[in-house]
Amino acid sequence: DIVLTQSPATLSLSPGEGATLSCRASQNIYSYLVWYQQKGGQAPRLLIYDASNRATGIPARFSGSGSGTDFTLTISRLEPEDFAVYYCQQRYSWPITFGQGTRLEIK
Amino acid sequence: EVQLVESGGGLIQPGGSLRLSCAASGFTVSSYYMTWVRQAPGKGLEWVSVIEDGGTTHYGDSVRGRFTISRDNSDNMLFLQMNSLRAEDTAVYYCTRGRGRTSSYDSWGQGILVTVSS
Repeated sequence: DIVLTQSPATLSLSPGEGATLSCRASQNIYSYLVWYQQKGGQAPRLLIYDASNRATGIPARFSGSGSGTDFTLTISRLEPEDFAVYYCQQRYSWPITFGQGTRLEIK
Repeated sequence: EVQLVESGGGLIQPGGSLRLSCAASGFTVSSYYMTWVRQAPGKGLEWVSVIEDGGTTHYGDSVRGRFTISRDNSDNMLFLQMNSLRAEDTAVYYCTRGRGRTSSYDSWGQGILVTVSS
């Protein structure tokens, strides 16, 4: 199974700052990497698919990059509603796997 | 509007069986990859099972041989039959739709809690 390792586990930042979240795959997954946002008590929301494509309705401050084994989710200027848990997921091979998540908290 | 509504969860004893249902509206389940994803209390996301548009199914290692995914095209519903339940199956189970014919999940149900405990 492909293992996804997210870092850091927790990121403490202030509104207005930029955030960089990382996801590393245990093997080459090309660009088959997806990012989700999950707020407390809610279902996850699709943010980015295929490494760099924003999903419908996702603000432009969210961007994804990377290919192969190293991927990054960047939030350019944090809004109060961006503080949440972020998960990466690979769709390159079965079984689908998720990273353990990065918690983005208000500093 | 795309909508997914899960039902069938609850408290079940270890070794028991439970069947989750997911009612879909706003699209046709047989045209998409339909997937179950679960989340244990306070934990991360775990992929459980998928049924592709063509009917092929895949399962996660922890549920293979115990869980069965299926769909009813006429009622536009997705199911998860869960047998030989264990305490570690306790989780919120989400019904999800893959974007296009992929495993990028663009629509999620609200989730249904399954608790396995004596």
